[in-house]
Amino acid sequence: EVQLVESGGGLVQPGGSLRLSCAASGFAFSAYPMNWVRQAPGKGLEWVSYISRSSSNIFYADSVKGRFTISRDNAKDSLYLQMNSLRAEDTAVYYCARDHEGAGVYFDLWGQGTLVTVSS
Amino acid sequence: EIVLTQSPATLSLSPGERVTLSCRASQSISTYLAWYQQKPGQAPRLLIYDASNRATGIPARFSGSGSGTDFTLTISSLEPEDFAVYYCQHRGNWPLTFGGGTEVEIK
Repeated sequence: EVQLVESGGGLVQPGGSLRLSCAASGFAFSAYPMNWVRQAPGKGLEWVSYISRSSSNIFYADSVKGRFTISRDNAKDSLYLQMNSLRAEDTAVYYCARDHEGAGVYFDLWGQGTLVTVSS
Repeated sequence: EIVLTQSPATLSLSPGERVTLSCRASQSISTYLAWYQQKPGQAPRLLIYDASNRATGIPARFSGSGSGTDFTLTISSLEPEDFAVYYCQHRGNWPLTFGGGTEVEIK
């Protein structure tokens, strides 16, 4: 089955760190650029970060630049998001999302999401 | 940063009705726009990419149009499963952004 499964969410204090993981299965993970997208409770979608197939190109939203680091391990079919200096406004469901092959940065496959709550 | 403005925020409609959703970009993005559907508790689903191309498995009642700064998602006849929130998203440049969403609710 083609799927993405996120893990690593939870409750963390402001200023703390968390590492999210996304396990891919059922498709050639190394052939696809990947992304993280988040959604604060009751709010809309916000793109967070992009990583190319070989990790040679990486982009971040301004809201997380300098605090979050995206990475991938193609040998393990996994995507990661290291989140440091977390703030209350980072509270959200975090989705990993696959690029739509051959069509640019659109998201054709999503995980179920993992909830990150930043609170004291 | 390109700002995408969706209108209206909410639409109250009945099954069988035709619906037109709007997404306006703050600058030209050619046809680099996608539409997603999201139901409560679920991840978004890609409906349309590059303004007018239906994604795999998307029913023909969904269609997209537009270029430059003005885009439209049309659902020709609303099915019960189409009541959801719809988002547009551009890939014109970095950072990628989404519109604020339009909720299509049952009247």
